[in-house]
Amino acid sequence: AQTVTQSQPEMSVQEAETVTLSCTYDTSESDYYLFWYKQPPSRQMILVIRQEAYKQQNATENRFSVNFQKAAKSFSLKISDSQLGDAAMYFCAYRSSGNTPLVFGKGTRLSVIA
Amino acid sequence: SQTIHQWPATLVQPVGSPLSLECTVEGTSNPNLYWYRQAAGRGLQLLFYSVGIGQISSEVPQNLSASRPQDRQFILSSKKLLLSDSGFYLCAWAQLQETQYFGPGTRLLVL
Repeated sequence: AQTVTQSQPEMSVQEAETVTLSCTYDTSESDYYLFWYKQPPSRQMILVIRQEAYKQQNATENRFSVNFQKAAKSFSLKISDSQLGDAAMYFCAYRSSGNTPLVFGKGTRLSVIA
Repeated sequence: SQTIHQWPATLVQPVGSPLSLECTVEGTSNPNLYWYRQAAGRGLQLLFYSVGIGQISSEVPQNLSASRPQDRQFILSSKKLLLSDSGFYLCAWAQLQETQYFGPGTRLLVL
């Protein structure tokens, strides 16, 4: 079974600085999808970024980018120019191709210091 | 555009009482639907998912059940709540091969 590991339960970053959240996963499949979701205090899960495994180019969404290392099974999230609104729980998630549910990591709580 | 609704937003129920949480999706057809539970300070646990009307897959054996009476409606139920059922319940939808989008969630407290 696939597993997702987030080794950093908590992280903090100064406002306007850059922070990287780590995620590793275990799978024997070659075709899959990876996601980062943000959960602010409201607790609604919000998609941050998505990466298809067949794409070599790292996904980018404004201040959010990923470092996808397929051979190492690593999928880290970089947040640039951190803002107070970035403070939240961040979840890394994996999904196989087809009608399969997401497998989530346990999350990293990010604090942003003004 | 697609939207997903959950209700109620908050629920306080006594142990042993029944439960019914509803999730509906608008703006799409034949979505995959999911129920997750999140205990305080913890990650998401998949409870059920459905790829079509009347088709339910259960991931965790427990006193909860799910039903999909209509294409865009997904219901989470229990006949008798336990204290351990307290948590935050999230419904999500997705189209084939696509991203899962989550509803606003229901906070359930069982006393």
